[in-house]
Amino acid sequence: DQQVKQNSPSLSVQEGRISILNCDYTNSMFDYFLWYKKYPAEGPTFLISISSIKDKNEDGRFTVFLNKSAKHLSLHIVPSQPGDSAVYFCAASGGAQKLVFGQGTRLTINP
Amino acid sequence: GAVVSQHPSRVICKSGTSVKIECRSLDFQATTMFWYRQFPKQSLMLRATSNEGSKATYEQGVEKDKFLINHASLTLSTLTVTSAHPEDSSFYICSATDRGDQPHHFGDGTRLSIL
Repeated sequence: DQQVKQNSPSLSVQEGRISILNCDYTNSMFDYFLWYKKYPAEGPTFLISISSIKDKNEDGRFTVFLNKSAKHLSLHIVPSQPGDSAVYFCAASGGAQKLVFGQGTRLTINP
Repeated sequence: GAVVSQHPSRVICKSGTSVKIECRSLDFQATTMFWYRQFPKQSLMLRATSNEGSKATYEQGVEKDKFLINHASLTLSTLTVTSAHPEDSSFYICSATDRGDQPHHFGDGTRLSIL
């Protein structure tokens, strides 16, 4: 049972435009959500997070939106840069320390 | 920022051998470390949770005797894959946290290939 789902395995965006990555979850006990970025042969790097008491968190070019009623979160990157090309994972946590990850979305920024 | 070092980055060995992977927190004390396995183009699957000074907690379906975890200090956890077979080939990643705080910090992973 996939509790965290990223339904788009890949996304291609023009440099300078907005990248929007989506994530859905099924477990209503999740109360903390994170986005990680991963390059090949490296471990995930933390990008941004959001608590369930908020619906938006912004950090520079990265903004995460949370819609609790829809059990949906999204990551917006604007403007997109070539260095943003990577695999992005959303993850969720619910009280316990464990993280549950989505399948990842491969983002490609085209020059 | 918090740094987690994982070693080795790549291992190739024969079927039947045991392989040890180390996960170290370099600039913080990791009360809890997590071990994940990732298959190509798939999610990171949590396999076990390692708490300093106590027994590891394994996820459903993980063989405890095959994946031995030791977390003897606040900066080091080791995963030993015993009697490894080709089906154990995968990318193994550890993460660490201090007192359960988010975010977890990840090592760079170990690519394990069993011939």
